[in-house]
Amino acid sequence: AAGVIQSPRHLIKEKRETATLKCYPIPRHDTVYWYQQGPGQDPQFLISFYEKMQSDKGSIPDRFSAQQFSDYHSELNMSSLELGDSALYFCASSLGTGLPNEKLFFGSGTQLSVL
Amino acid sequence: QQPVQSPQAVILREGEDAVINCSSSKALYSVHWYRQKHGEAPVFLMILLKGGEQKGHDKISASFNEKKQQSSLYLTASQLSYSGTYFCGTEERDNRLAFGKGNQVVVIP
Repeated sequence: AAGVIQSPRHLIKEKRETATLKCYPIPRHDTVYWYQQGPGQDPQFLISFYEKMQSDKGSIPDRFSAQQFSDYHSELNMSSLELGDSALYFCASSLGTGLPNEKLFFGSGTQLSVL
Repeated sequence: QQPVQSPQAVILREGEDAVINCSSSKALYSVHWYRQKHGEAPVFLMILLKGGEQKGHDKISASFNEKKQQSSLYLTASQLSYSGTYFCGTEERDNRLAFGKGNQVVVIP
């Protein structure tokens, strides 16, 4: 069965550079969530989209932006990268309005390293 | 509001039982449980909705006490494959799932 696809798998950037992470949800899933997970940390909610509209916003820095496109894929744009942005970025998708009844399917994540 | 998970870590032998807990200071709509193995994505285990229900997944079951805003995950006759970090996710309002810091479970032969 198709899963959530994230690209790239690994990304190495230098301070002050920009990065774009992509997420392709499971077919027919219309809700996408972005989480940031530091080493040994729990996943921190960044932002979510439902039907191409932002549905909720968490601890996402102003330097980051995201959007969901007409084909439901989502991109997380990160500018002026800082060392502290190094983390594993997960995208998850769900069907319908999401919570509370819908489980999240996570992608394999993008490991971002900022040098 | 991030839920609190306890204990932080559990080490048990294959075949033993364990209970891990998740609690919140706020009223909850639902509790989700996910398991994450090192370097992998979190994998869904179960959702518990308001109503104090219990759910099961193989020999892993969970309960949700909405009055106490708590959920417990029961690992019965644990298997080596149960090792990983268990995250509870709590939903206080639509479309945001806040994860706790996780319970690390290590099952040894």
